[in-house]
Amino acid sequence: GEQVEQLPSILRVQEGSSASINCTYENSASNYFPWYKQEPGENPKLIIDIRSNMERKQTQGLIVLLDKKAKRFSLHITDTQPGDSAMYFCAARITGNTGKLIFGLGTTLQVQP
Amino acid sequence: DMKVTQMPRYLIKRMGENVLLECGQDMSHETMYWYRQDPGLGLQLIYISYDVDSNSEGDIPKGYRVSRKKREHFSLILDSAKTNQTSVYFCASRQQSQNTLYFGAGTRLSVL
Repeated sequence: GEQVEQLPSILRVQEGSSASINCTYENSASNYFPWYKQEPGENPKLIIDIRSNMERKQTQGLIVLLDKKAKRFSLHITDTQPGDSAMYFCAARITGNTGKLIFGLGTTLQVQP
Repeated sequence: DMKVTQMPRYLIKRMGENVLLECGQDMSHETMYWYRQDPGLGLQLIYISYDVDSNSEGDIPKGYRVSRKKREHFSLILDSAKTNQTSVYFCASRQQSQNTLYFGAGTRLSVL
């Protein structure tokens, strides 16, 4: 299987709190897991990614965790701001599969002031 | 400045008409993609191109074809468009040795 499941589909949080989005993948040969942010009317942009040789990566208020045993990875946004409101997509790429990314269905994050 | 350019940004066509969506990139990336995005369905891969004249079907290729005659350009063609091809189409490119996909701004296609 090559599906990537992403939950929740909608996430509403208060400004200043943290937000978490979870993804699971089927193919244990997956080795690269990016996260894309898409603002309304805009194109998706890479915000952070993690490779299968890592369990955690952090950059500028974003944390990604990877649990290869559970085939699960997650994005955590700390201290959310209104500018974090957007659609977020997780994705997975299979080792040896040239360039093909399987995307989750997306999470709409709404940060309420 | 790295850029993926899509033309046109908005397009309205009638059912049965032919549609040509253009994508260009100035990064000399080998790999290019066409995705469509629909509410609740995320980003679905239509075609992937590994270089000039080296194209491969994605997950939903039916009703589409592609052309890549120059590395910088990747076209998506809809022969006899259908109403269910109304969607937002994104082109993306990637350097073969890197992981990051760069997306264009998208083309919003309405087939009436």
